[in-house]
Amino acid sequence: AQSVTQLGSHVSVSEGALVLLRCNYSSSVPPYLFWYVQYPNQGLQLLLKYTSAATLVKGINGFEAEFKKSETSFHLTKPSAHMSDAAEYFCAVSGEGNTPLVFGKGTRLSVIA
Amino acid sequence: DSGVTQTPKHLITATGQRVTLRCSPRSGDLSVYWYQQSLDQGLQFLIQYYNGEERAKGNILERFSAQQFPDLHSELNLSSLELGDSALYFCASSVGGSYSYEQYFGPGTRLTVT
Repeated sequence: AQSVTQLGSHVSVSEGALVLLRCNYSSSVPPYLFWYVQYPNQGLQLLLKYTSAATLVKGINGFEAEFKKSETSFHLTKPSAHMSDAAEYFCAVSGEGNTPLVFGKGTRLSVIA
Repeated sequence: DSGVTQTPKHLITATGQRVTLRCSPRSGDLSVYWYQQSLDQGLQFLIQYYNGEERAKGNILERFSAQQFPDLHSELNLSSLELGDSALYFCASSVGGSYSYEQYFGPGTRLTVT
């Protein structure tokens, strides 16, 4: 069965520093991969998705993610953190047999001024 | 604003009761998904409807049921409620039935069972 592991339930960075949120997945077939962001008291908003086109995917708000099949990873990065990036981030995968999305446990990003 | 609407925003009810959560998808979207988000279980897929038909089922309890109506809005019915059913319930929609399509999430309904 497919699964997603997000390393680090809480990541704290300084404003202007690099943001790196880690996501590893398991799937026996090329997956669809997504990153979502959830601000307090709101629903999830799609940041970006990977569907087997380019391995480097650019999303909204300056975020991007790189699909690495050999490492089964889809880490999310942003060169320079803003205070407004503070939120919960979820990685999700749909793999074998076009199955429903499986979400990771989430990583809470804090940005320190 | 994702274009997906959910009502009510908050719901407080007692154990043993039944509630109905409502979702209106984005204009043009045919698929509706229901998710449950809780601190201990995280975000769990419950069920998907596509153009009125059930497409996929996840970790949905037998006490829960859903349907999608001809106008494509959907309702999630939760019955014989237990304290453990307290959670955020999200609806999402997408234009197609495949999971390669982006899913757009509503703001959620926070259910509190007392």
